[in-house]
Amino acid sequence: ETGVTQSPTHLIKTRGQQVTLRCSSQSGHNTVSWYQQALGQGPQFIFQYYREEENGRGNFPPRFSGLQFPNYSSELNVNALELDDSALYLCASRAPTGANTEAFFGQGTRLTVV
Amino acid sequence: RKEVEQDPGPFNVPEGATVAFNCTYSNSASQSFFWYRQDCRKEPKLLMSVYSSGNEDGRFTAQLNRASQYISLLIRDSKLSDSATYLCVAPQMGTPLVFGKGTRLSVIA
Repeated sequence: ETGVTQSPTHLIKTRGQQVTLRCSSQSGHNTVSWYQQALGQGPQFIFQYYREEENGRGNFPPRFSGLQFPNYSSELNVNALELDDSALYLCASRAPTGANTEAFFGQGTRLTVV
Repeated sequence: RKEVEQDPGPFNVPEGATVAFNCTYSNSASQSFFWYRQDCRKEPKLLMSVYSSGNEDGRFTAQLNRASQYISLLIRDSKLSDSATYLCVAPQMGTPLVFGKGTRLSVIA
């Protein structure tokens, strides 16, 4: 167990709806990253939060947004869902970004957009 | 150029075989390197960290070649349970981990 938990584990939404995914990071980890993984692809980096501020973003449109809370848990929000947003969404936590540390993943949220 | 590039495979090998994957990275400033294992429809799990020339853990050996900017993962005496996708990451200090597509391994009885 990595200590990183995500909720929900599965979700079905309709095109055009909005969704919020949640992540609790491992104790002591103040950096949280979100990834989208489509079938047969590697995890694609969405964005990273460090101490409640976004400090890195991948090639995703603004309808993908996030938050990090004082306890370092995080949310990923996706507006105006599209069919192509169907994927496994992974959250990963790391120790402070000043160190070159590995990331530990939650079990993911499988989102299906219909 | 992508941060890391891997041969997607699949590598189909018999049980007991030795198999090696390479991962090339683009940024010479990378100081640490990680191999992750991902089973189908599961999250990636850390397999090995490499901070200097290499690392060994049982049947698994990771080697770093800074001159040619690649890391390799060697698996000896392959087991059926080694079948998975293997992802490498080569972050710079403080940057997010950016993954490639990974290399798919199938170990066949």
